[in-house]
Parts: sequence; C-alpha cells; structure tokens
Amino acid sequence: AQKITQTQPGMFVQEKEAVTLDCTYDTSDQSYGLFWYKQPSSGEMIFLIYQGSYDEQNATEGRYSLNFQKARKSANLVISASQLGDSAMYFCAMREWNTGNQFYFGTGTSLTVIP
Amino acid sequence: DSGVTQTPKHLITATGQRVTLRCSPRSGDLSVYWYQQSLDQGLQFLIQYYNGEERAKGNILERFSAQQFPDLHSELNLSSLELGDSALYFCASSPRGGGNTGELFFGEGSRLTVL
Repeated sequence: AQKITQTQPGMFVQEKEAVTLDCTYDTSDQSYGLFWYKQPSSGEMIFLIYQGSYDEQNATEGRYSLNFQKARKSANLVISASQLGDSAMYFCAMREWNTGNQFYFGTGTSLTVIP
Repeated sequence: DSGVTQTPKHLITATGQRVTLRCSPRSGDLSVYWYQQSLDQGLQFLIQYYNGEERAKGNILERFSAQQFPDLHSELNLSSLELGDSALYFCASSPRGGGNTGELFFGEGSRLTVL
C-alpha cells in the first residue's frame, strides 16, 4: 500500500482564492510527522509546513495551513489567497519516527494559479 | 539557502559513462538521503546514510552506488549511464531526532542529462 497518496495530479485556482490540496497517509506508527514541500519550476524543494502526529491543533504558516484529520489519516494543505507565485508542484510527505525514520513522498499535485 | 550543497548543478554526459554527484549536508546533520526525480515525476528514494553507514535502500539500481565519508559528505556514483538515467538528483539531510520538526533539508539538486 502507498504510504502517501495524492489523488490530484493537477489543480487550478483563481488568483486570490483559497485551494485545498489533498493528502492521505498510511502508517501504523503512533509517532510520525507530516510535511508539505513546494517545488517551483526552478526545481528546488521548499519546505512549507509540518504537523506532528501528537499535535492537537492544525499547523499554520502564513498563508499555508494543514488540515489534519488523524482519524481519517488525511493531511490536506490549504493555501489561502492564492498568488501567481504559488504555481508549482506540491508534495506531501511523512516521516515515521519509530520505524526506520524513513521519509515517504507522494506523487505530487501540480497547482496552477490563474490570473 | 538550505545549507545542503550539491555539485555539480548541471552535468551532461554520454551513454555508458560514469559520473559522481557530491553532497555536503548541513553542518551537524548526520543523515543524508538521495532521491531521483525524472521529468515530471515524483521523488524516488534511492538510499539513506547515517553517520557513514547505510541505513535504508530504496529503488537504487545496481549500476548506482553511494557512500558517506567520515566528514559526512556523500557521493552518489552512477555508472554505465543510460538515457533513462537523465533526471534531477537531490541530496537531503536531516539532523538526528529531526531537530525542531524533522524536515528534510534539500540541496538544489544535480541535473544530469545523458545523451
């Protein structure tokens, strides 16, 4: 089974609107971290936001928030007030702390912000 | 700047050749991860080292090898190159225990083109 599933290969959003990128995960580890990375067309991987499995509140970083639903094993990224510079690939990832410290990445979602 | 340094940034070579990609992790980080990203694809985990020892191996071809040296820099060796090896190769590092949030810090990548 896939550890990280991103079901949206591509998404479009109007500038200034909010958009949600979906991510579900699969783990039996009780201690894990969830991450979102942005990869613009220039190629670098930019860390956006982190959510720990024991965190009770959803993580927020500026315009980014992570909608963490532990029981449903989902960790959706919400980008508010989209900007043209948000156009990029977005990867969801998970790190299992007790089972080998491995990182698992999803296949990514390509976001295009329309002016 | 993530603090992870990868060289070279770009490399063009011919089929059958051998190349070495180099990575210097962030100061103090003991773990080094290597990923391959082919065109419009997600991140494929290749191999992980921790303080000089191999910790995990992913979908790494037998033609590829890696090592981490006592000074913690790492090298990824790709031999008998094929056209399909053309990709962006990322190195990432992470501190033991993950630091504050445990994210991976990525280098800018080495873009390999095999002609």
